[in-house]
Amino acid sequence: AQKVTQAQTEISVVEKEDVTLDCVYETRDTTYYLFWYKQPPSGELVFLIRRNSFDEQNEISGRYSWNFQKSTSSFNFTITASQVVDSAVYFCALSEASLGDKIIFGKGTRLHILP
Amino acid sequence: EPEVTQTPSHQVTQMGQEVILRCVPISNHLYFYWYRQILGQKVEFLVSFYNNEISEKSEIFDDQFSVERPDGSNFTLKIRSTKLEDSAMYFCASSELRAWDEQYFGPGTRLTVT
Repeated sequence: AQKVTQAQTEISVVEKEDVTLDCVYETRDTTYYLFWYKQPPSGELVFLIRRNSFDEQNEISGRYSWNFQKSTSSFNFTITASQVVDSAVYFCALSEASLGDKIIFGKGTRLHILP
Repeated sequence: EPEVTQTPSHQVTQMGQEVILRCVPISNHLYFYWYRQILGQKVEFLVSFYNNEISEKSEIFDDQFSVERPDGSNFTLKIRSTKLEDSAMYFCASSELRAWDEQYFGPGTRLTVT
């Protein structure tokens, strides 16, 4: 079974629209960490956020916000007023304390922001 | 701002050849990682390294793979006898603390096996 599921393979929105990328995770650990990474067309991986399992507080960073809900095992990512530069593949990832240093990535969501 | 560097950016090799991919992690980081990403697919964990030994490895990291920190700055991934399916982007990453700390990724090395 997949531990990190990003059901949206590809999304296209028009610039300035808001868009939410979904992430559902599966773990039996009580201590775990969730991440979002951005991979622009240039190919590098850019860290966006880390959240630990004990902190359900939502976070906002500029146009980005994250909604962590343990009850639904989800860690969704919203971009407000999207811009063309937001076009990228976005990966959600999970690290479980019991698995040590392994980070498990979802398959990613390819986001196209149309001008 | 400190960054992880990787060389070469692109490596082309023939099947059966040995390749060494090189990484220079951020200097005060203690944990080092290799990941791979087959074109168009997700990023997959290969191995983590701490205190001069492997701390975790995935099922992908078989006997064909090895890692080494030959000096105080470099961290290398060796593939002994490359196969076509080893063609992928290989990312090195480092973190100050364990995996749950922020991992800084290098720009990647694209390995093409022909």
